[in-house]
Amino acid sequence: EDQVTQSPEALRLQEGESSSLNCSYTVSGLRGLFWYRQDPGKGPEFLFTLYSAGEEKEKERLKATLTKKESFLHITAPKPEDSATYLCAVQAGFQKLVFGTGTRLLVSP
Amino acid sequence: ETGVTQTPRHLVMGMTNKKSLKCEQHLGHNAMYWYKQSAKKPLELMFVYSLEERVENNSVPSRFSPECPNSSHLFLHLHTLQPEDSALYLCASSQGKGGTEAFFGQGTRLTVV
Repeated sequence: EDQVTQSPEALRLQEGESSSLNCSYTVSGLRGLFWYRQDPGKGPEFLFTLYSAGEEKEKERLKATLTKKESFLHITAPKPEDSATYLCAVQAGFQKLVFGTGTRLLVSP
Repeated sequence: ETGVTQTPRHLVMGMTNKKSLKCEQHLGHNAMYWYKQSAKKPLELMFVYSLEERVENNSVPSRFSPECPNSSHLFLHLHTLQPEDSALYLCASSQGKGGTEAFFGQGTRLTVV
């Protein structure tokens, strides 16, 4: 069964304190792994797509990496505006995304 | 207007009411989706439409009825809902057959009383 597990469930950081979020997955034939950011009461906002092991993508303070079993979202010197829930999803079959439960990130000034 | 737009943003309905959620995408995509998001649970895929044809129905109860009149519009018709159906309902669209990112609307927060 296709499955995505994210850890930790919640993470509190001080401004400037770098850390990483984990996304472990099992899927039959990975077609893509996606990272989204979701603010309270809003829809998920697309961040990155990764397709193959070894691939990396960067955007401002965020960097996503991919191995054959997991993906990491590295946050370098976070700011309070980076506070959100970060969702990981894998493409499992034709136009079907399987999501994890997300990591709630709180960055304190 | 750009992106994916959902209306209404908030909806409170009784268990005997009939209502509809609307989604419109301005991205030229060929696939549209309905997802349900409940507290502490992952997003659950409900329906997928590709080129206006329903290609996925994830064992969703018949009290939820989707409609896709064209590639830009998607509806979710609701009737005789239960309190456990209260959730954030998200519409998304994407382009291509797979491995392409989905773009989401802001969602409709549904409360069933």
